[in-house]
Amino acid sequence: QSVLTQPPSVSAAPGQKVTISCSGSSSNIGNNYVSWYQQLPGTAPKLLIFENNKRHSGIPDRFSGSKSGTSATLGITGLQTGDEADYYCGTWDGSLSAVVFGGGTKLTVL
Amino acid sequence: QVQLQESGPGLVKPSETLSLTCSVSGASFNNYYWSWIRQPPGKGLEWIGYIYYSGTTNYNPSLRSRVTVSVDTSKSQFSLRLSSVTAADTAVYYCAKGYSTSSVFDFWGQGTLVTVSS
Repeated sequence: QSVLTQPPSVSAAPGQKVTISCSGSSSNIGNNYVSWYQQLPGTAPKLLIFENNKRHSGIPDRFSGSKSGTSATLGITGLQTGDEADYYCGTWDGSLSAVVFGGGTKLTVL
Repeated sequence: QVQLQESGPGLVKPSETLSLTCSVSGASFNNYYWSWIRQPPGKGLEWIGYIYYSGTTNYNPSLRSRVTVSVDTSKSQFSLRLSSVTAADTAVYYCAKGYSTSSVFDFWGQGTLVTVSS
């Protein structure tokens, strides 16, 4: 059971837009920055977004992040088959004094 | 380009100690946090702990009693020791560099699978 809650899977057609939610609490998302990672099959996670909405170096502007209250959202526009991956949110949890992740969301581009 | 590479045994017996080393190139150890993160097969990510370049550490409370992370700046390496392992510790173990804070990871090693089995 992950501290942050993500939907297990999302899907959309090529060229479309998809959003992935990440829900937490005041001890984590509510009072800390959120980051997002993409994990392609068989590879290490890759940083996409940090400090809620800042794209890491080299990440295209098709990827965006936002945060409101105790939830965060990753948006991906212009979906490509190469975007098929698992996506994870992460943040600091002040109550646990630990980095916490969501359970991951598998994106399928139909 | 920053590169991280994990090394260590791929098979550890139950009740023994898992030991891994992460070799870093292309980045100074100074002013960064260096973390270990694991991923059981088919499951999500779990943060194990970090060490700051100065030697300050912080561990996941669920693993704190069994984890030690150390650093050797002269060799550009940091290490993980996890004691009293069980099958539940079977996972791909990643080392990662912290980006500006301790909870954002901008560079990751490729990961190494450690299986706990007799």
